[in-house]
Formats: sequence, structure tokens, C-alpha cells
Amino acid sequence: KNQVEQSPQSLIILEGKNCTLQCNYTVSPFSNLRWYKQDTGRGPVSLTIMTFSENTKSNGRYTATLDADTKQSSLHITASQLSDSASYICVVSDRGSTLGRLYFGRGTQLTVWP
Amino acid sequence: EADIYQTPRYLVIGTGKKITLECSQTMGHDKMYWYQQDPGMELHLIHYSYGVNSTEKGDLSSESTVSRIRTEHFPLTLESARPSHTSQYLCASSGGRWELFFGEGSRLTVL
Repeated sequence: KNQVEQSPQSLIILEGKNCTLQCNYTVSPFSNLRWYKQDTGRGPVSLTIMTFSENTKSNGRYTATLDADTKQSSLHITASQLSDSASYICVVSDRGSTLGRLYFGRGTQLTVWP
Repeated sequence: EADIYQTPRYLVIGTGKKITLECSQTMGHDKMYWYQQDPGMELHLIHYSYGVNSTEKGDLSSESTVSRIRTEHFPLTLESARPSHTSQYLCASSGGRWELFFGEGSRLTVL
């Protein structure tokens, strides 16, 4: 069964600190992996998209890594800000249709305290 | 910012009422999707459309129905709402191979 598992389920850090969120997947075949940020009560917003050949991609203070061999990804947040408080969702796509079937993780709920 | 809009953002209704959740996008995307999301759970695909007059059911069984008469419009309808339909409904659209843009969501509460 194709699955996407995220850890930790929730995380609390102090403003200015760094943190790393994990995503393990069993989706096969693999097409791409995305990280989304979802603020409370809002829709998800894309942070990064990585294909099989990419092992790191940055978007400002967000850096995602991908190890397609071990089927693991991480999202590193540098110098956290209060606005980083959100749910971070890992989404993996297989090589089905043009968009591919999407498999969603349950998200990591990050809270940044002042 | 993605140009995809959902209305209403919040809706509280009584059991048995008919409701329609609206979703519109101004990006000219052919592919549109409806997802259902409950707190702490993953998004589940309930309907999708690859173009006008094309609609398909998703992975999660849903009593809702959708229509795609115009490219930019993908409404979701519940003929008779029940408390089990209480959830957040997210509309999304895609025009390219990898991009997927979400609306802000419609939070439905059925009493």
C-alpha cells in the first residue's frame, strides 16, 4: 500500500531556532515529492517540488532534501519566525497520469513561540 | 498568489439541507479537484475533472456531486447534508505537469 508518513506529528520551537521535519514514503513508482505549508483555516501553499533527480531544493528559509533510494525527504526551516506556525504537508506523486496520483501525509503541526 | 476562489468560506446548516460549494479559477486550468480534509488527517480526493463535461469520482466515496460546465467553474453539491458531511472541502486546479494550486477552503458544519 502506498503511504506517506510524516514525523513528528507536532513540534514546538522558539522563534529564531531551526527545525527539521521528516517524510518517509513507500509510493512506487515515484515521480515527484512536494512540501506544502497550510496555515490554520487556509488552503495549502506549495513550498518545493522535487523530482527523482533532485536531492535538494531551497525556497528562502525552507530547504527540502530528497533521498529517492531510501525514500526519505526532510524539510529544514532556518531561523524560524512566528509566521512559520502552520501544518507542513508532504505529498508524493506516482508516475500515473500527467499530474500523477497524489499521496498525502497527515502533516506536521509546527508551532513557533516568541 | 493562486487565482482560485472558494465560497462560502464557512457554512453552518441543518440536516437535510441542499448546499453548493463554489470553486472558480481564473488561470484557465483544465484540471480541477475537490479534496476533503478532517483535522489531523490527510487530504482525500473526492472528485476531479480534466476538462469541460468531464468529471470523475476520487478515492474517497462521497455523496456529493460535481459539474464542469465551464472551464473556470467546478461546483460541489450535497443534495441532503448530514452531520457526517461536516468537514473542510478544498478545491484545487492544475495547468502544468507538477503545479497544483489550492483555494482557501470551505468549512462545512452540519448540525
